[in-house]
Amino acid sequence: EAGVAQSPRYKIIEKRQSVAFWCNPISGHATLYWYQQILGQGPKLLIQFQNNGVVDDSQLPKDRFSAERLKGVDSTLKIQPAKLEDSAVYLCASRAWGSLAEKLFFGSGTQLSVL
Amino acid sequence: DAKTTQPTSMDCAEGRAANLPCNHSTISGNEYVYWYRQIHSQGPQYIIHGLKNNETNEMASLIITEDRKSSTLILPHATLRDTAVYYCIVRVPYSGGSNYKLTFGKGTLLTVNP
Repeated sequence: EAGVAQSPRYKIIEKRQSVAFWCNPISGHATLYWYQQILGQGPKLLIQFQNNGVVDDSQLPKDRFSAERLKGVDSTLKIQPAKLEDSAVYLCASRAWGSLAEKLFFGSGTQLSVL
Repeated sequence: DAKTTQPTSMDCAEGRAANLPCNHSTISGNEYVYWYRQIHSQGPQYIIHGLKNNETNEMASLIITEDRKSSTLILPHATLRDTAVYYCIVRVPYSGGSNYKLTFGKGTLLTVNP
C-alpha cells in the first residue's frame, strides 16, 4: 500500500516569505496530523483533522500558520509570513478510523529552512 | 497529559538485546503506552503499543510493570539498522470521542555498534 506522500521534500525561503506544504494521506485514512519537528526535539503536534473537521489545533500559531483539508483527503499547511524559528521538518501523518486504527503512518516530511 | 522520561542515549552491541526503559508514573488507567522510532531523515515509525499486558510483535517486545508506571522496549537481536531515536509515548484520548493525542518527547538515541 502506498504511504503518506508529502511535497516538497526541501524548501528554502527568506524570512517574511510565504510557504505551503502538501500532504496526501494513505487512501481511506480519516484522521490526518501535521507535526513540526525542530532539530534535536521530538515532533510537536500542530493540528489534527478528522475528515475535514479540526479535532485539535491548540498548538498551531494561528497568527501565521493555517491548514486545511477541504475534501477530507489531502491537506495543505501554510506559513505566512515565515520566521527564522519556523525552520524545522514538517511531518504529516494519517490514521484509519475506528478502534482497530491503532497506529499513525508518517510521511518523510518537508524540511524547511528560513534564512 | 501524562509525561514520559527516557534516557537521552544508549549503546548496544550488534546481535545483542537492546532494552530501552521508560518511566510514565502519572499514566491513567485508560492510557496506552506506545513506542515509535525515527531513523535519520525519515518520519517516525510505529513499533508496538500496550495497556497492561506484555506485548510482542515481529519488531519488538513491550514489558509493562504491574503498576504501569514504567515500561521497557526490547529489541531481541539489535542490528545496525536499528540505530534510531526511540520515543515512548502515552496516548491521551480526547474527551467525548475516539480520537487521541500522541505527544512526543525527545526520546532515546539508540546506537547499535558493530
